Amino acid sequence: LAKTTQPISMDSYEGQEVNITCSHNNIATNDYITWYQQFPSQGPRFIIQGYKTKVTNEVASLFIPADRKSSTLSLPRVSLSDTAVYYCLVGDGVRGNTDKLIFGTGTRLQVFP
Amino acid sequence: GAVVSQHPSRVICKSGTSVKIECRSLDFQATTMFWYRQFPKKSLMLMATSNEGSKATYEQGVEKDKFLINHASLTLSTLTVTSAHPEDSSFYICSAEGAGSDEQFFGPGTRLTVL
Repeated sequence: LAKTTQPISMDSYEGQEVNITCSHNNIATNDYITWYQQFPSQGPRFIIQGYKTKVTNEVASLFIPADRKSSTLSLPRVSLSDTAVYYCLVGDGVRGNTDKLIFGTGTRLQVFP
Repeated sequence: GAVVSQHPSRVICKSGTSVKIECRSLDFQATTMFWYRQFPKKSLMLMATSNEGSKATYEQGVEKDKFLINHASLTLSTLTVTSAHPEDSSFYICSAEGAGSDEQFFGPGTRLTVL
């Protein structure tokens, strides 16, 4: 399972765009990149998943360069409620295979008014 | 998305007692469930992988006789912390994965405090 490296913490202000980059130099061909959000005393919540290029949903965008050795989670116009820990994970996304998720340190995002 | 529940949400027990935590998939059948432990301001640490009808697979360093896992049905897995000690106090989180799916759905977690 590929190891991921993220910044330990980031600060931002309301209304700004936040980009959190994750390094995964040893990502395997079959690995997908998945981001989770966790609030204090809650279970992680799925945000977005991608394999290559760009993926966008209603809450975030995920940018993945051609070499796939890193990925960037982009949160547009953050609000105070986006204060949370964000985890980047890589794993075998092949359907039918059991995915053992190994969580890294995560990035603690603090949004200020 | 699919919903996973945990019960209880928080529990306080005396040292030496055993505590059972339930993890249920409410609207799908979970062939595989995972149990994690999380200490304050730390990341989630995978404890074990539980497959319905078979023995759980424990991660290195996790005592299988202390953390008993039972996955008796496709919607329920239980984690029993036996002879709990204060150092077992932690946030325990389960996740569930359905057959043919590659997405895990996490439960809300259970806060265990051992006095």
